[in-house]
Amino acid sequence: DAGVIQSPRHEVTEMGQEVTLRCKPISGHNSLFWYRQTMMRGLELLIYFNNNVPIDDSGMPEDRFSAKMPNASFSTLKIQPSEPRDSAVYFCASSSEGAGGYTFGSGTRLTVV
Amino acid sequence: AQSVAQPEDQVNVAEGNPLTVKCTYSVSGNPYLFWYVQYPNRGLQFLLKYITGDNLVKGSYGFEAEFNKSQTSFHLKKPSALVSDSALYFCAVRDPPGGYQKVTFGTGTKLQVIP
Repeated sequence: DAGVIQSPRHEVTEMGQEVTLRCKPISGHNSLFWYRQTMMRGLELLIYFNNNVPIDDSGMPEDRFSAKMPNASFSTLKIQPSEPRDSAVYFCASSSEGAGGYTFGSGTRLTVV
Repeated sequence: AQSVAQPEDQVNVAEGNPLTVKCTYSVSGNPYLFWYVQYPNRGLQFLLKYITGDNLVKGSYGFEAEFNKSQTSFHLKKPSALVSDSALYFCAVRDPPGGYQKVTFGTGTKLQVIP
């Protein structure tokens, strides 16, 4: 199992541009979570899906942020337009039913200049 | 709502000494508790979990954690610290069965092991 796969690993973009982050969860996991990590705010839950359905998006900071999960093996987090304060490391995690915890991806380091 | 608290932003310990990273929790019902570790420029990695059973849980890299229901604590411990243990440690609590598996993380504790 390759684990949770995120792409790209690094993204540098100019303010105002659209940014799309991608995540492939572990096969068989039915819940997917997007987190953002910064020095100032720590680890923040943005949105999570269960069986491809968004359950709670209350952590999404603004309407500029959107997330989709069109099928069980793929999810995207989009920022349009991007701003410098969006610079952070974005993590995707997945989990399955039972008593287990999350498996995290390696993250995408986003820099908006 | 469930929550965890990590009262220490940073813990310093000398190599070879025992270490403790503190965590307290607040949940309704029986807790599902976890510890994760994050090395620089990496994602979070699972260390260990408590679901039920023995209050002393053993995990990866020689770490263990002690569940104390009366004190609502789940402190992470290791008998002898290594320099390579220096990292950011997160305590977490998960939704009980039947929920959406949402995990609530603490704010993290930076462990610095001094050679």
